[in-house]
Formats: sequence, structure tokens, C-alpha cells
Amino acid sequence: QKEVEQNSGPLSVPEGAIASLNCTYSDRGSQSFFWYRQYSGKSPELIMSIYSNGDKEDGRFTAQLNKASQYVSLLIRDSQPSDSATYLCAVNLGGTSYGKLTFGQGTILTVHP
Amino acid sequence: DTGVSQDPRHKITKRGQNVTFRCDPISEHNRLYWYRQTLGQGPEFLTYFQNEAQLEKSRLLSDRFSAERPKGSFSTLEIQRTEQGDSAMYLCASSRLETQYFGPGTRLLVL
Repeated sequence: QKEVEQNSGPLSVPEGAIASLNCTYSDRGSQSFFWYRQYSGKSPELIMSIYSNGDKEDGRFTAQLNKASQYVSLLIRDSQPSDSATYLCAVNLGGTSYGKLTFGQGTILTVHP
Repeated sequence: DTGVSQDPRHKITKRGQNVTFRCDPISEHNRLYWYRQTLGQGPEFLTYFQNEAQLEKSRLLSDRFSAERPKGSFSTLEIQRTEQGDSAMYLCASSRLETQYFGPGTRLLVL
């Protein structure tokens, strides 16, 4: 079992729809969770961080964390073609908040007009 | 604030040559990280500095790889005797607290 797992997709949604991206992680003691967006040929760009159970909203993005189920998700409302990218889930595994991030392999999202 | 910068952005080298990459973190970020990313995969952790101290190294980091962060400012990553399997994007990130911000990366191609 991988330490951080994502469905590699591709996930295709129509413009204006909600895109739902999912991530599971192996270490129950993990404390810090991040979503990054990566356009082809570019470096990862931070979208959101989440540390507590529940939902965290920032504009069209909502991150959801369920530590009991070891599950973190990202919802993108009113999806736009410019949202087409690879979305990376990253976790500080273990009980520390600093140090290395462990990434999933990324989910490719395509938003079609 | 300027972001994380990396130099060079692209490097083509022949197998067996040594290469060195530089990373300048966001000012006042005391933590600096190196990752490597190959096509279709998420970034993989290589090493991590807090100030000038190298706190963790991945088992992926063979003896051919070395990283330094003198004076706790910029960092260098050197790869000796490059191999074709070293071809990848090398990413640097920095943080003051939990959140890591990435530079543009250095794309290495070993022929």
C-alpha cells in the first residue's frame, strides 16, 4: 500500500461542474495536509492546506479532512478550463508538522468547455 | 516577497559528468527542501535543511548526491557521475512554518 494514494484519473468534467478529487493516507498520526496544482511542465503551486477535521473553503475550492477515515478531498466548484491540471495531495506523515511531504502520484483533471 | 528561485532552469549533461543546482529560498524561510519528480509521478523527497543543518536525507539519495546549505541561506545540490536515471525535475521548496512553497524547478536531462 502506498503511503499517499490518489486516483490518477484522468478525471474529466464539463465546465461549470463540481470536480471531486480524493486522497487517502496510511499514517493515522498525520497532522498536515496540502493540495497543490501542477500545470504541465511547471512546478507545484499551493492551493490549500488543512489541519483539522471538517471542511475548509477558499473561493471555489473546498478541502475536506476526515482523520478517522484517513481521507482528504478537494472539491472545485464551477470548474473552468483553466483548472485543467494535475492535482497533487501531499501529507506530513507521522506526528510532525514540519519536514518532508509525501505526495500522491497526482490526479489529472480535464475541464472541457 | 520574491518566491523561491532555482538556477539553472534547464541542464543537459552527458553521463558521467557532475552537475550542481542552486536554490534561493524565500527570505526568512528557515526550512529548505529538495525533491525530485519524474514524469507521471508526484515529487519524491530527497533532503531537508533547517537553517544550515541537514536534518533528513532520503534513502533515495545515493552517495553520488550531496546537498549543502552554508550559512542557512541558499542551498546547492550536486550530483556526481550522473546517470541516465538521474534525468528528472529537481524541485526546491522553502517554508517558515508548515506550508512549503516550490521554486520553478531545474529540469535535468542526462544523455
